[in-house]
Amino acid sequence: QQKVQQSPESLSVPEGGMASLNCTSSDRNFQYFWWYRQHSGEGPKALMSIFSDGDKKEGRFTAHLNKASLHVSLHIRDSQPSDSALYFCAASEQRNNNAPRFGAGTKLSVKP
Amino acid sequence: EAAVTQSPRNKVTVTGGNVTLSCRQTNSHNYMYWYRQDTGHGLRLIHYSYGAGNLQIGDVPDGYKATRTTQEDFFLLLELASPSQTSLYFCASSGGQGAGNTLYFGEGSRLIVV
Repeated sequence: QQKVQQSPESLSVPEGGMASLNCTSSDRNFQYFWWYRQHSGEGPKALMSIFSDGDKKEGRFTAHLNKASLHVSLHIRDSQPSDSALYFCAASEQRNNNAPRFGAGTKLSVKP
Repeated sequence: EAAVTQSPRNKVTVTGGNVTLSCRQTNSHNYMYWYRQDTGHGLRLIHYSYGAGNLQIGDVPDGYKATRTTQEDFFLLLELASPSQTSLYFCASSGGQGAGNTLYFGEGSRLIVV
């Protein structure tokens, strides 16, 4: 079983709406979390990282981390058609020489 | 921005065939990774390396070998390809660990085993 779970599997929001993506981990060794975005035909690209409890805002994107519950969320306000993509949550341990693990992804569709 | 180049971009092989996927990064990163992407599973870690000559086993290593010949080059080898290895493969690199472990991905190599 994957150590990082994401929900929902897919999400459709109208242009200008709010999209909310969720991620939870079953491994308390994970201390660092990222959101990656993958457009069709491309490799994933890091969207934002979050390492401390609370909110982190970058433009229209806000990430929230609750380390006690190992829950991370990503909220996209004023969603645009260009936000339509596959979004991955990734988590990494604090120790050296380990590799990030990814969730199964959430497919976001923004309808004009 | 970090540059990671994969080749070939597309490959079709027969069951039992021999395949090598190549990855080169020009970012002077120490860490390199191979993931496979499948619908419903997301990105799963096959092998990774934290330097030339080093190899670490990931979560789905069966049927795969890897070799890190230089800091820049990381290869994934399928010596007896099976249909279950039909997938989209991504190579990535990163410059640090912990909070510095942001990955930079290549464009992917699509492999079909018939």
